[in-house]
Amino acid sequence: KAGVTQTPRYLIKTRGQQVTLSCSPISGHRSVSWYQQTPGQGLQFLFEYFSETQRNKGNFPGRFSGRQFSNSRSEMNVSTLELGDSALYLCASRPSYSGAGDTQYFGPGTRLTVL
Amino acid sequence: QKEVEQNSGPLSVPEGAIASLNCTYSDRGSQSFFWYRQYSGKSPELIMSIYSNGDKEDGRFTAQLNKASQYVSLLIRDSQPSDSATYLCAVRSYGQNFVFGPGTRLSVLP
Repeated sequence: KAGVTQTPRYLIKTRGQQVTLSCSPISGHRSVSWYQQTPGQGLQFLFEYFSETQRNKGNFPGRFSGRQFSNSRSEMNVSTLELGDSALYLCASRPSYSGAGDTQYFGPGTRLTVL
Repeated sequence: QKEVEQNSGPLSVPEGAIASLNCTYSDRGSQSFFWYRQYSGKSPELIMSIYSNGDKEDGRFTAQLNKASQYVSLLIRDSQPSDSATYLCAVRSYGQNFVFGPGTRLSVLP
């Protein structure tokens, strides 16, 4: 079974621009979560989607948004980019939302650099 | 604020030794516990999950959970240089998102 895929793998943007990242979960997985990872802050939860609905949201400004499509694929968008948004953005999928034992699996990540 | 704490390391052990990684969590309602390994520049990969008090073994890895002490650990036996990585502890409560610790950097010296 194919793993979680993320596109693009690398991205360079300038301050003020916006960016859209894409994630395709493992086949059959319906829950998708997004994380931001930086050396200083570690792995920070952004949001989780299940059945096209946002189920949980982390403590990030409204510039960070996401959505999920009917095929479980997900996108996240960051508007008005700031230098501090430079990070590795990770997507993770798991079979369902309510299963306490569900394990999530990570994609390779998108490395975003904001200049 | 739900928190997961880990010693940042680096933890250095000689090849062949046992590496012991520790994690504590603040939410008593936590139900699921996970260990991920992350190599530099790569994404986290799952090593083990544990849900009940006690030990769970998988090859050279043993996870230990003590819910009363809010403590979970990972033992790596016969450590190899290829085990050198950052180990992330993750905790989850029902209906909640995963909360990750800052990670412990492990260095296995040949």
